[in-house]
Amino acid sequence: GIQVEQSPPDLILQEGANSTLRCNFSDSVNNLQWFHQNPWGQLINLFYIPSGTKQNGRLSATTVATERYSLLYISSSQTTDSGVYFCAVPGGSYIPTFGRGTSLIVHP
Amino acid sequence: DAMVIQNPRYQVTQFGKPVTLSCSQTLNHNVMYWYQQKSSQAPKLLFHYYDKDFNNEADTPDNFQSRRPNTSFCFLDIRSPGLGDAAMYLCATSGSGSYEQYFGPGTRLTVT
Repeated sequence: GIQVEQSPPDLILQEGANSTLRCNFSDSVNNLQWFHQNPWGQLINLFYIPSGTKQNGRLSATTVATERYSLLYISSSQTTDSGVYFCAVPGGSYIPTFGRGTSLIVHP
Repeated sequence: DAMVIQNPRYQVTQFGKPVTLSCSQTLNHNVMYWYQQKSSQAPKLLFHYYDKDFNNEADTPDNFQSRRPNTSFCFLDIRSPGLGDAAMYLCATSGSGSYEQYFGPGTRLTVT
């Protein structure tokens, strides 16, 4: 099946810093999602981004499908950005495969 | 707002005592998923429904069952919970067009 790798596994930032999270996948995909798992465990949709670039406030994402990777940018990080960030791609039709996540801690 | 709702948010059960978790959705999506997530791990798919068509993942224990009586509701039954079943249980839905997933807030299960 498709392999999904996220990097870095852990990231510690000072409030106000910028960061880039990466998601590599082993096969061509027709959709990709980024999620933020908050401290209460809920998975929040950030982006549905099969290709191209999208922006939502301080967050943006770029997927280069031909090169099999996606990047999530967080600018001017805040403590509320802390949590785990997952990317997920379809392993087979509508069944997603999740990466292992990037755990982000933002210190005040 | 259209959403995915899970009840209860926290569930404590005794070892071996059956428990049912519920999920409902107002998105009218035809695909519903149940995931198990343990600490510091990615969500692990247990099963999913495409409409009423039930699909069990190969490594989902027999102890876990599911029911989907209609489009809006889906239930996860754990027949005899063990200590290893303590986890966060996440329900998600997606439409058949884009398969973009929407998650509920989860139910955190404790087994004593």
